Amino acid sequence: AQKITQTQPGMFVQEKEAVTLDCTYDTSDPSYGLFWYKQPSSGEMIFLIYQGSYDQQNATEGRYSLNFQKARKSANLVISASQLGDSAMYFCAMRLNRDDKIIFGKGTRLHILP
Amino acid sequence: DVKVTQSSRYLVKRTGEKVFLECVQDMDHENMFWYRQDPGLGLRLIYFSYDVKMKEKGDIPEGYSVSREKKERFSLILESASTNQTSMYLCASSQPQVRQFFGPGTRLTVL
Repeated sequence: AQKITQTQPGMFVQEKEAVTLDCTYDTSDPSYGLFWYKQPSSGEMIFLIYQGSYDQQNATEGRYSLNFQKARKSANLVISASQLGDSAMYFCAMRLNRDDKIIFGKGTRLHILP
Repeated sequence: DVKVTQSSRYLVKRTGEKVFLECVQDMDHENMFWYRQDPGLGLRLIYFSYDVKMKEKGDIPEGYSVSREKKERFSLILESASTNQTSMYLCASSQPQVRQFFGPGTRLTVL
């Protein structure tokens, strides 16, 4: 069965520091995609970054990068130079390419301290 | 600008009532999804639809049904609301093999 695990329920980080949010996944399918979404207190889900299972390079989007280690089945999100506005819930998710269902992890609540 | 809208941001209903949650997308997306989000449990898929009049059960379909009569609209129905259905409900849509776009969510309280 497919599964996403986020082991950090909550994190506190000083502003301007880099942050790594952990995500491991479990699937036997060879073709899949990995996503990170941000959910601020307003409740909207904001797409951050995507990594395909066959992508050779780690995905980057501005201050966000995805540290993809396929053999370890990990897809950690790295936020460089954190800002107060980064305080939010972060969800890791996986989609198997044989269907369009997405499985979400339980989330990590990130608090950025001034 | 792409948009997924949900009929209500907040809703309060009584136990036993029939509840309709509406979701509309303006992106001509094939796929639509309903999730519920509870603290500590993340997002769990209730139902999804790949096409008009098609629906498939997700991980927690019990107590819910759905309707997709038009491509842009996907409705979630609670036939007889119960207190354990108090939750945040999120609708999403996507094209096949592309990321999902989410609506703003409906926070439902069942008294």
